[in-house]
Amino acid sequence: DAGVIQSPRHEVTEMGQEVTLRCKPISGHNSLFWYRQTMMRGLELLIYFNNNVPIDDSGMPEDRFSAKMPNASFSTLKIQPSEPRDSAVYFCASSPTGGSNQPQHFGDGTRLSIL
Amino acid sequence: GNSVTQMEGPVTLSEEAFLTINCTYTATGYPSLFWYVQYPGEGLQLLLKATKADDKGSNKGFEATYRKETTSFHLEKGSVQVSDSAVYFCALRDGGSQGNLIFGKGTKLSVKP
Repeated sequence: DAGVIQSPRHEVTEMGQEVTLRCKPISGHNSLFWYRQTMMRGLELLIYFNNNVPIDDSGMPEDRFSAKMPNASFSTLKIQPSEPRDSAVYFCASSPTGGSNQPQHFGDGTRLSIL
Repeated sequence: GNSVTQMEGPVTLSEEAFLTINCTYTATGYPSLFWYVQYPGEGLQLLLKATKADDKGSNKGFEATYRKETTSFHLEKGSVQVSDSAVYFCALRDGGSQGNLIFGKGTKLSVKP
């Protein structure tokens, strides 16, 4: 079975450019999560969706960050304009909703470098 | 609020040594508890889980027991291998949440041959 698929795996771009990260959750999973991981701050939850609806976006660092989930099989995380401090590994995860014993399944991440 | 506290790393062990990574939690209600592992350059993978008090999760020689009286979920392995070198994350999911996991900061384990 396919796991969570993220693209691109690596992205290098100059500051000020728009960056779009993509995620395809596991089919049938109706919760989706975006995380950011850095050495300094560890793993941070940015936003999560249930049934395509954003539930909690309190982790989104600022207005330059936005996330959408137009359907059950696709989500994007966009940074516009990007800054060097946005450099990090961004993970997408999905899980079935319903019951606290459901684990999250992570993608392999997008390693983002803003020059 | 809910929180997870892990022992700080890095932890360096010789092959075949005994491993313990401590994890304690604070939560309302009756959370489920998880250990995730992250190998270099990869995403997090579920290692094991326990959903109620006194449950023991186990996988790949790793074990952790859900201790409600001490609010702990320590990870153990009797004999580590070089291939176990990774970062380990403890996490909880509150029964009343809509899916969000609360993660610890992670503990880096290095196993030397």
